[in-house]
Amino acid sequence: EAEVAQSPRYKITEKSQAVAFWCDPISGHATLYWYRQILGQGPELLVQFQDESVVDDSQLPKDRFSAERLKGVDSTLKIQPAELGDSAMYLCASSYRGGPETQYFGPGTRLLVL
Amino acid sequence: QQQVKQSPQSLIVQKGGISIINCAYENTAFDYFPWYQQFPGKGPALLIAIRPDVSEKKEGRFTISFNKSAKQFSLHIMDSQPGDSATYFCAAKREGSTLTFGKGTMLLVSP
Repeated sequence: EAEVAQSPRYKITEKSQAVAFWCDPISGHATLYWYRQILGQGPELLVQFQDESVVDDSQLPKDRFSAERLKGVDSTLKIQPAELGDSAMYLCASSYRGGPETQYFGPGTRLLVL
Repeated sequence: QQQVKQSPQSLIVQKGGISIINCAYENTAFDYFPWYQQFPGKGPALLIAIRPDVSEKKEGRFTISFNKSAKQFSLHIMDSQPGDSATYFCAAKREGSTLTFGKGTMLLVSP
């Protein structure tokens, strides 16, 4: 069964350092999402891609966060510099073109900023 | 402003019992209401979903009840099993936007 892949699974970093997360969506899925999930909360959308284009990054803190999906397949989310409040689970999801209803989530990257 | 309010925050049910989780929404433009199940260390997985043109949808032991006039929908888990112990999220979306999630309900089914 096809799955969304994410790495690393866990990341510990010190504040002010740079971190990067990688996501490989299910093959053929044109839409890719990055979510942040704070402990005890539901996922909140950071950025949505359609192929290589950003369609929604209204909730992305652009002063420190960046995301790219250069070839319209895998994607990288970067935080620079990391802050204590960035500690959370970062989830990647993908869906078939035009079908955002069924989003398939990866296992997530749990980030701890010290 | 929280657009999807979920309750309870946590729930303990005995094996074989019925688990009920409720959600309320404010935006009448929402037209798709899924439920996601999340196990520790895993990403959320779609469990069941409903559109507002029906009042109920059943898949196995899982049922969504939808009340459009009250702007509420709920998940019922019949014959709850210890393997159902997980966090459940309701969500909602409208055309052209992405999912808005509730805060989640941690369900524990005791043996």
